[in-house]
Amino acid sequence: GQNIDQPTEMTATEGAIVQINCTYQTSGFNGLFWYQQHAGEAPTFLSYNVLDGLEEKGRFSSFLSRSKGYSYLLLKELQMKDSASYLCAALMDTGRRALTFGSGTRLQVQP
Amino acid sequence: DVKVTQSSRYLVKRTGEKVFLECVQDMDHENMFWYRQDPGLGLRLIYFSYDVKMKEKGDIPEGYSVSREKKERFSLILESASTNQTSMYLCASRTHAAGRETQYFGPGTRLLVL
Repeated sequence: GQNIDQPTEMTATEGAIVQINCTYQTSGFNGLFWYQQHAGEAPTFLSYNVLDGLEEKGRFSSFLSRSKGYSYLLLKELQMKDSASYLCAALMDTGRRALTFGSGTRLQVQP
Repeated sequence: DVKVTQSSRYLVKRTGEKVFLECVQDMDHENMFWYRQDPGLGLRLIYFSYDVKMKEKGDIPEGYSVSREKKERFSLILESASTNQTSMYLCASRTHAAGRETQYFGPGTRLLVL
């Protein structure tokens, strides 16, 4: 099955840049999602990468390397409200179209 | 704006009770999913559905069943609730309009089984 790895916790300073890494198994891989989840709330969609490269969307960017089984989420100009868990999820080529999630990275933004 | 709603935000049930969790989406999506989320384990797939009356087991279907009688509604049923089913339950709906894959989540139901 798919094994998705991402750091458990990260801390960064308001105004700074933080990169959250995610690795996954490449066999049968079909696309990579990033979600943001605030405590007690549902995940909200941030990005979907299917091709190699960087996709930028405001302060958030997501990168994918299919050959390396690697993705990262880049958050710029960090704000206190960015404190949340960030979930990496892979879409596999199984026909299920369901996502396989990592355990999430809890980001704490400090003043 | 895509909307996925769940019938309850918080639910408290007793062991052995039958529990119904409802999920409704308003975008005519064919694919719908039920996940549960537990600390340290991430989101895990319970069941999913491709279309009306179609259902498939996910990774952890034991103790659960589902119903999809109408396209917009996907129900998760706990036949006899147990304490190890205390969890956050999340419903999701999938679209791939214009070649862009997106999955939207409902607000979640936090279930406590006593």
